[in-house]
Amino acid sequence: DAGVIQSPRHEVTEMGQEVTLRCKPISGHNSLFWYRQTMMRGLELLIYFNNNVPIDDSGMPEDRFSAKMPNASFSTLKIQPSEPRDSAVYFCASSLEQGSTQYFGPGTRLLVL
Amino acid sequence: AQKITQTQPGMFVQEKEAVTLDCTYDTSDPSYGLFWYKQPSSGEMIFLIYQGSYDQQNATEGRYSLNFQKARKSANLVISASQLGDSAMYFCAMRLSGGYQKVTFGIGTKLQVIP
Repeated sequence: DAGVIQSPRHEVTEMGQEVTLRCKPISGHNSLFWYRQTMMRGLELLIYFNNNVPIDDSGMPEDRFSAKMPNASFSTLKIQPSEPRDSAVYFCASSLEQGSTQYFGPGTRLLVL
Repeated sequence: AQKITQTQPGMFVQEKEAVTLDCTYDTSDPSYGLFWYKQPSSGEMIFLIYQGSYDQQNATEGRYSLNFQKARKSANLVISASQLGDSAMYFCAMRLSGGYQKVTFGIGTKLQVIP
């Protein structure tokens, strides 16, 4: 079975550009999470969806960040405009249901110059 | 609020030896789950093992076992017969039970397996 799929795996962009990260959760999983990992702050939860509905977006840094889940098999995390401090690894994770084990995708390494 | 503490920034172990990675947690809630994830240098986060707070026995998955000491609030990961491929960052995490609860991650321990 395929795990969580993320694209792109690497992204290099210039400050001010729009960045869109994509995630396909494991089929049948109804919970989806976006995390950001940096050396300084470790792993931070950005937003959590359950059944395609955003439940907790308290971790979204600011209005420049937005996330959508138009259907059960696809989610996007958008940064507009991007800034150098957004450089990080962004993980998508999914779980079968609200309280079960989260399985992570391979991550997207974002570098904003 | 719950908290996870991993006090070992880095650990070395000889190949084929066993190693214990420490994790302590803090919560006043009686119902919770504890997780360990592995992050190799390639970057992916790999789920290793889970322990529920009411589980009577320590969790085991192959060469991984979780030494769960509830009274001490510790959930140490034991890796037996270390292999070179075990070199990675290891993260302990906790989630309270019931509905939606955030997973809290520790800062990780970097394990290096020496040939």
